Amino acid sequence: ILNVEQSPQSLHVQEGDSTNFTCSFPSSNFYALHWYRWETAKSPEALFVMTLNGDEKKKGRISATLNTKEGYSYLYIKGSQPEDSATYLCALMNSGYSTLTFGKGTMLLVSP
Amino acid sequence: DGGITQSPKYLFRKEGQNVTLSCEQNLNHDAMYWYRQDPGQGLRLIYYSQIVNDFQKGDIAEGYSVSREKKESFPLTVTSAQKNPTAFYLCASSMGGHGSGYTFGSGTRLTVV
Repeated sequence: ILNVEQSPQSLHVQEGDSTNFTCSFPSSNFYALHWYRWETAKSPEALFVMTLNGDEKKKGRISATLNTKEGYSYLYIKGSQPEDSATYLCALMNSGYSTLTFGKGTMLLVSP
Repeated sequence: DGGITQSPKYLFRKEGQNVTLSCEQNLNHDAMYWYRQDPGQGLRLIYYSQIVNDFQKGDIAEGYSVSREKKESFPLTVTSAQKNPTAFYLCASSMGGHGSGYTFGSGTRLTVV
């Protein structure tokens, strides 16, 4: 079973703050790294799918970077808003598996 | 609108009973998955299917069974052999391949009473 680590476990910021989370994973046999946002009482929603070392992706105020050689990805949120409050999941696919292995998530709370 | 539907949203089961959770998608996705979430843990894979009439065990398949008779449907049966069935169950689908994001259902919360 792959070990996908996310930190911090939870985060509480004020509206307007920028924040970032980390996802660490085994770098060998890398295929893809996914990020999902999971709001309370809703379904997890795909944010990014990243496959190449050095990938940077952006969606509005949220962006992500990928380093497959050292085995980490960062998710950044610029100017956090209360509607960004959610659990952010990262998930890894490598050549040994054809499915995603998820981390435990980072729970973000943005206060007005 | 295309999507993935899980039913029911809440399910109560007596110990010793089998129960089946429904998952239906109209996205024309080839691959479907069942995950389980427990407090303090990440999503853990129970079973997955990459094509009709074929499925594979995930990391925690013991006490569960699935079928994939139609592309749209991937029901999960929680049997009486599952020792700790109380959990939140999520179904997902994807086009398949490592570059495809998953589309998730809204989940079923199963409680054994």
